[in-house]
Amino acid sequence: GAVVSQHPSWVICKSGTSVKIECRSLDFQATTMFWYRQFPKQSLMLMATSNEGSKATYEQGVEKDKFLINHASLTLSTLTVTSAHPEDSSFYICSASMPGTVNQPQHFGDGTRLSIL
Amino acid sequence: EDQVTQSPEALRLQEGESSSLNCSYTVSGLRGLFWYRQDPGKGPEFLFTLYSAGEEKEKERLKATLTKKESFLHITAPKPEDSATYLCAVQARGGSQGNLIFGKGTKLSVKP
Repeated sequence: GAVVSQHPSWVICKSGTSVKIECRSLDFQATTMFWYRQFPKQSLMLMATSNEGSKATYEQGVEKDKFLINHASLTLSTLTVTSAHPEDSSFYICSASMPGTVNQPQHFGDGTRLSIL
Repeated sequence: EDQVTQSPEALRLQEGESSSLNCSYTVSGLRGLFWYRQDPGKGPEFLFTLYSAGEEKEKERLKATLTKKESFLHITAPKPEDSATYLCAVQARGGSQGNLIFGKGTKLSVKP
């Protein structure tokens, strides 16, 4: 069964709107979660690492003021796309690793399809 | 620069026709290589982790192998339900836990 839950699965909104996406770890605590973005026929690209209780770490080229990440609890991380524009339309996916060794695989949510009109 | 290349981009098979998918990688030091399956509109589903050359893992009709430069995902007697995009990702030593480098995937279609 799924170990990571993501909501909503699909968002369509007007340009300029801010959109919040939730990522929850089910039945385990995740001190770290990850946010990826996937454009059609492209690889998943890591956007940022979400750390519970501290600031997120952003990959080069990702605007931290545009993609706000909050990891307020050990089971929930949120990604807010602020003032979204059509170029932000993409498939956003979160992941988390179950506690254990550093080589634990990441388990992914089912993604959020964001379409900005 | 760490890099992952998957081939072919797309593969069409008849049901029962076995084949292999390739994942070539360049990484400064391999911590782990991961195979995922991704269905349309869904997130990747974990299949295997391989850590060192010579290692093999099996699950139903799938078998993953690893060398120092590439990994293969062998599909034996595939069924239509095996149709999906198969993703390969590597994690480098010294990199953060989250820094998986993904290939673009191989889209597999299995016709009945």
